[in-house]
Amino acid sequence: DGGITQSPKYLFRKEGQNVTLSCEQNLNHDAMYWYRQDPGQGLRLIYYSQIVNDFQKGDIAEGYSVSREKKESFPLTVTSAQKNPTAFYLCASSITGAGLAKNIQYFGAGTRLSVL
Amino acid sequence: RKEVEQDPGPFNVPEGATVAFNCTYSNSASQSFFWYRQDCRKEPKLLMSVYSSGNEDGRFTAQLNRASQYISLLIRDSKLSDSATYLCVVNTGRRALTFGSGTRLQVQP
Repeated sequence: DGGITQSPKYLFRKEGQNVTLSCEQNLNHDAMYWYRQDPGQGLRLIYYSQIVNDFQKGDIAEGYSVSREKKESFPLTVTSAQKNPTAFYLCASSITGAGLAKNIQYFGAGTRLSVL
Repeated sequence: RKEVEQDPGPFNVPEGATVAFNCTYSNSASQSFFWYRQDCRKEPKLLMSVYSSGNEDGRFTAQLNRASQYISLLIRDSKLSDSATYLCVVNTGRRALTFGSGTRLQVQP
């Protein structure tokens, strides 16, 4: 089955600790995205990548880092600099190129991060 | 002003009712529009794209009004399973999408 896999489903972070959220896709999509969702809020863009070895900051990149070494993988690290990391983190992917289909994003099941 | 605005609701409707949601967007250069559905504590899933001519998928109808910069979603014959949060999503010309905060729908028996 093609899709996007996020792990772990639940994650707990201690003060001063960096944690990494995994996102893997087998849809052969070029573009991948990370969003953060707080309770009762919409999705806010953290980082996105249109191609391997390239990524761009979104609206709330401070305290986060990413890498894109493989097309299939786009891990997100929540660093100790992120003072309020408790949220629902969603990874998405899409095709690139012309046409409306390039704007349709498909999401993984998400990771819930909490601070101990 | 937010780029994409939605009434948060909740909209409480009985089964069988017709309900409509509106969403406004601020960037007149926006090119693509979507409705996503998000169930509680789950990921968003594409419900339908919104085309200039309007489009229908079963009980769901989406409309786009570029002059007034809003899109709408109409749900006919509401089912209990329609209870969810509906996210208005717009491609504002940047490389990623912009999501509204969502409108919560609760269909009651």
